[in-house]
Amino acid sequence: GENVEQHPSTLSVQEGDSAVIKCTYSDSASNYFPWYKQELGKRPQLIIDIRSNVGEKKDQRIAVTLNKTAKHFSLHITETQPEDSAVYFCAATIYNQGGKLIFGQGTELSVKP
Amino acid sequence: KAGVTQTPRYLIKTRGQQVTLSCSPISGHRSVSWYQQTPGQGLQFLFEYFSETQRNKGNFPGRFSGRQFSNSRSEMNVSTLELGDSALYLCASSLDLSLDTEAFFGQGTRLTVV
Repeated sequence: GENVEQHPSTLSVQEGDSAVIKCTYSDSASNYFPWYKQELGKRPQLIIDIRSNVGEKKDQRIAVTLNKTAKHFSLHITETQPEDSAVYFCAATIYNQGGKLIFGQGTELSVKP
Repeated sequence: KAGVTQTPRYLIKTRGQQVTLSCSPISGHRSVSWYQQTPGQGLQFLFEYFSETQRNKGNFPGRFSGRQFSNSRSEMNVSTLELGDSALYLCASSLDLSLDTEAFFGQGTRLTVV
């Protein structure tokens, strides 16, 4: 199948805490895994991505880890701030019938001050 | 550099009608992908066009179709509209195929079918 499963669907944390969002994918050939952030009423925007030749990537307070054997990848946000509140989508390329980018169902992150 | 532009921003249509949505990609981008966004369903892939050719298609009925012009602008058409087609339709442009290239999203067209 062509699945990207994302958990949890909602996540509430206190400001300053860490947040972790996990995704699993079905296609063992997948090799590109971007994460998008969508603020209320706005368009999704890329925040970080990782390719299969890398196990971890960091950009300031956000990091993504990839486990190709287990076919899962995770987004980690440290020292969360209220402006991190948004819906986060993971995605993976699925190489079926030419290849396409498939998104998870999204995680609504709420950071409480 | 202008971003991805979608028109119109809002549409209200009646069941059975058809609708055409437009997407102008970032200058120089050759790929345009379309997604349907509904609450709880995330972003569901409709199709991707690259150099005027449909590269891939999602699991949507044949009522959903699209095309891409020589200037990379893309249109999406939905015929015989159903209530369940109410959604935010997003397009995204990429320099190359979306398989491993950042996709830049437009603000979307909010379609309401009544």
